[in-house]
Formats: sequence, structure tokens, C-alpha cells
Amino acid sequence: NAGVTQTPKFQVLKTGQSMTLQCAQDMNHNSMYWYRQDPGMGLRLIYYSASEGTTDKGEVPNGYNVSRLNKREFSLRLESAAPSQTSVYFCASNRQGAGTEAFFGQGTRLTVV
Amino acid sequence: AQSVAQPEDQVNVAEGNPLTVKCTYSVSGNPYLFWYVQYPNRGLQFLLKYITGDNLVKGSYGFEAEFNKSQTSFHLKKPSALVSDSALYFCAVRDLDRGSTLGRLYFGRGTQLTVWP
Repeated sequence: NAGVTQTPKFQVLKTGQSMTLQCAQDMNHNSMYWYRQDPGMGLRLIYYSASEGTTDKGEVPNGYNVSRLNKREFSLRLESAAPSQTSVYFCASNRQGAGTEAFFGQGTRLTVV
Repeated sequence: AQSVAQPEDQVNVAEGNPLTVKCTYSVSGNPYLFWYVQYPNRGLQFLLKYITGDNLVKGSYGFEAEFNKSQTSFHLKKPSALVSDSALYFCAVRDLDRGSTLGRLYFGRGTQLTVWP
């Protein structure tokens, strides 16, 4: 049981390049999240998907797009990377219910130069 | 809107001493609160949660948290700290507002705990 799997683990991009961060969970969870973690800022929600077929913007969605491909997969795309998007990105998921805890992937460390 | 605050960026304690990592919350309605731990270069791991019931919640690795409704706090505690407890700790709250934000999980800025030998 792998839990939440993110790929890649590390990536270096040049300004203006595009890339997609992949996330998959094998726990049959309905809800999935993308967060970014920056020093002193904690985790900030980029996008949220309450269920397959739905996505909503979080606190910091500018410069990102998402796709909830199916129940398992939730990808995050940077169309034109900027140095301000240098961060560690985490995907998470939880089953339905307000009292359920979220499970996190190992993170993707992205550097934009 | 729901939010949590962690007033301390860093907490330093000696091994064997009790530790407390503070969290205060702001919610409309009953709070659903969580604590997570992050070790270097790892994802977040769930420690414990408060949904309802007893104000003292027990979790993983000997941690517990005390829910205090009057002080709107949910402090993480451990009676005897270990060097291996050194990590980044996050408090989180579930959004229960009816609307597009329902179900989201919001995190505090994190508190770096250092336990020295």
C-alpha cells in the first residue's frame, strides 16, 4: 500500500518552462490537495479537489492549473514557471468526512532559475 | 473563515522535560483540529485529532493535545521529550463553512521543536 505518491522528487526549471507535478493515491480517497511549503509560511493551499470531477482554487492558485484525472490522480501544472514558484510542493488526500485526517506525499522540491 | 495560529516559531526543550507546542484556532461552529509532524525532507505525518468528546486527545509517539474551548486553543504536549522528537510541527483546522471552501484543511505556519540532550 503506497499511500500518496508524488513524482518527480526534485526538479530544476528555467524561468518560462512548463511542467506537471504528478500525484496518485491508492486509498480510494475522495478529496485531494496541492500545497506549497515555503520557509516561515507554513503550508498554503494551491488547489483542492473534493471529489472526482471537481476542483477549486485555494489560497495561492495564481500561476497554477490542476486536473483531477480520475479518483486516484490529481496533477498540478505550471504553465510558465517563475522564480517565485520555487518551493516544496505536497500532495495530500483524505477520505470523505470532516473528521478524517489527510495523508501526504513525500513532496517535490522545485527550483526555478 | 477558519484559521489556526502557532504563536511560536521555535520551541527548545531539554530531553526528559515536558514539552508544549501551542496552537490557537478561529472557527465558526465546532472545530475539527489536527496536529501533524514533519521530519527533514519528508512529508507530513498525522499525529492526532480532535473531533468531539474528551478534551485530552492521545496520539502517536506519546503525544497528546488539550482542547480548550474557552481559550480557543489546542496545544500539543508530551510529558517527557526525546531528542528524536525534534521536528517541525503543524496545527491544522478543517473548513466547515457551507460553500465552496467546505472540507479544506488549513495549516498554521509551523513550530520547529528542538530537543537537546
